[in-house]
Amino acid sequence: QVQLVESGGGVVQPGRSLRLSCVGSAFTFGHYAMHWVRQAPGKGLEWVAIIAYDGTNIYYAESVRGRFTISRDNFKNTLYLHMNSLSVEDTAIYYCAREDYGEYYFDYWGQGTLVTVSS
Amino acid sequence: QSVLTQPPSVSAAPGQEVTISCSGSSSTVGNNYVSWYQQVPGTAPKLLIYDNSVRPSGIPDRFFGSKSGSSATLGISGLQTGDEADYYCGTWDGGRRVFGTGTKVTVL
Repeated sequence: QVQLVESGGGVVQPGRSLRLSCVGSAFTFGHYAMHWVRQAPGKGLEWVAIIAYDGTNIYYAESVRGRFTISRDNFKNTLYLHMNSLSVEDTAIYYCAREDYGEYYFDYWGQGTLVTVSS
Repeated sequence: QSVLTQPPSVSAAPGQEVTISCSGSSSTVGNNYVSWYQQVPGTAPKLLIYDNSVRPSGIPDRFFGSKSGSSATLGISGLQTGDEADYYCGTWDGGRRVFGTGTKVTVL
C-alpha cells in the first residue's frame, strides 16, 4: 500500500541547518504534488510548503519563506525539506503528505519526523 | 497562523452525535472545497472527508461533512470511544494550504 517515510529529524542548535527526506512507495511519485506539514508540541497542524508533481510550482508558508527550501527527486521517489537558520519556534514533528493532481486535500501522510531546535 | 476557526473542544456520550464547525472567509472556505482530518494522539493525521462531503473508501458513514457559505461542518453520529481524537479542517488560499485550529472530541 501507499507509504511515505520521513527521516532526517533530530536535535539541532539554533541558527543551524537540517535536511529532511520523505520517500514514497507503492505509487507513481512523480504524478503527485507533495507537501510538508508540521506540528509543534501540543499544537495544531501548520502547513509548511508544497511542490508540484514536476517541481515547477512551489509555495511556502510565511513563517518559513526564505529559510526553508522544498525540493524533490522523482527518480528517487524522494521529497526534501532543507531548513536553514532554524529557531526554537521550528521545533515540531514534520510530516510529508501527498496530494493528487487537481485536488486540494492530503490523502496520505507519513508518520512524521521530530525536529528539536535547542541549545 | 490558522485562518480557519474551530471550537477547541466538543464532547458527548457514546451513541450520541457531535458537530464541529470550521469558519473561514470568502477566500478560503467560501470559495474552495473543505477537507477534514482525524488525528488520534501520537499518530499522523488521517483523511476523513474531502470535497466538503465525500468520504474516502473505508471511512464509515457515521462521519459526514457539509458546507454553507464560509463555514463547514463535520458531524460524527453514533459516537464511539475510538472517535476520541483531534479533528482539523483544511482548505486552500491561493497556492497555499490552510488548516483549522483543531477540535478535541471527548467521548464522555
